[in-house]
Amino acid sequence: DAGVTQSPTHLIKTRGQQVTLRCSPKSGHDTVSWYQQALGQGPQFIFQYYEEEERQRGNFPDRFSGHQFPNYSSELNVNALLLGDSALYLCASSTTLAGGTDTQYFGPGTRLTVL
Amino acid sequence: GNSVTQMEGPVTLSEEAFLTINCTYTATGYPSLFWYVQYPGEGLQLLLKATKADDKGSNKGFEATYRKETTSFHLEKGSVQVSDSAVYFCALLEQAGTALIFGKGTTLSVSS
Repeated sequence: DAGVTQSPTHLIKTRGQQVTLRCSPKSGHDTVSWYQQALGQGPQFIFQYYEEEERQRGNFPDRFSGHQFPNYSSELNVNALLLGDSALYLCASSTTLAGGTDTQYFGPGTRLTVL
Repeated sequence: GNSVTQMEGPVTLSEEAFLTINCTYTATGYPSLFWYVQYPGEGLQLLLKATKADDKGSNKGFEATYRKETTSFHLEKGSVQVSDSAVYFCALLEQAGTALIFGKGTTLSVSS
């Protein structure tokens, strides 16, 4: 049973460019969350997708957008890249229950470097 | 708002030493509490969790007890190994919530 997978592993972009990161959730999971982890910091919540809609959003600008597909996989898009967007981007998958989301399991991450 | 506070690192121990990493939280209601571990160059792995007061989560020799009265979830291990060297994150998920809130992480370095 495959866990959470993310692609690509590493990415180098220049300021002003746009980037798309991809995530496939663990089998049986229907919810995908994205987090940004700056060097030496804890992960910060970007947003969560369930039933192909953004359910909750953290304190991130509109340059960060996402999408969830019918097979539950998800994309994170970042426009007009800034140097400060350099970070490890983590995808987490989970199951949505009546009382909220269940335990979140993380993928290996995508390391984005903006030059 | 909700928050998690972890002890500052790095924590440096010799193999077979006892480990404690302190974690306290601020939240309304009854959040679920987690410890995740991150090895160099990797994503986060779930280490253990507890979903209600007085629950004890345990895995691979690590333990943590959900203490509502002290709003704490301290991580302990009786005898650490070199392979336990990693960054440890305490996190909470508020009741009926969606977003994990993480502490800043504690780096553990174990030498033989």
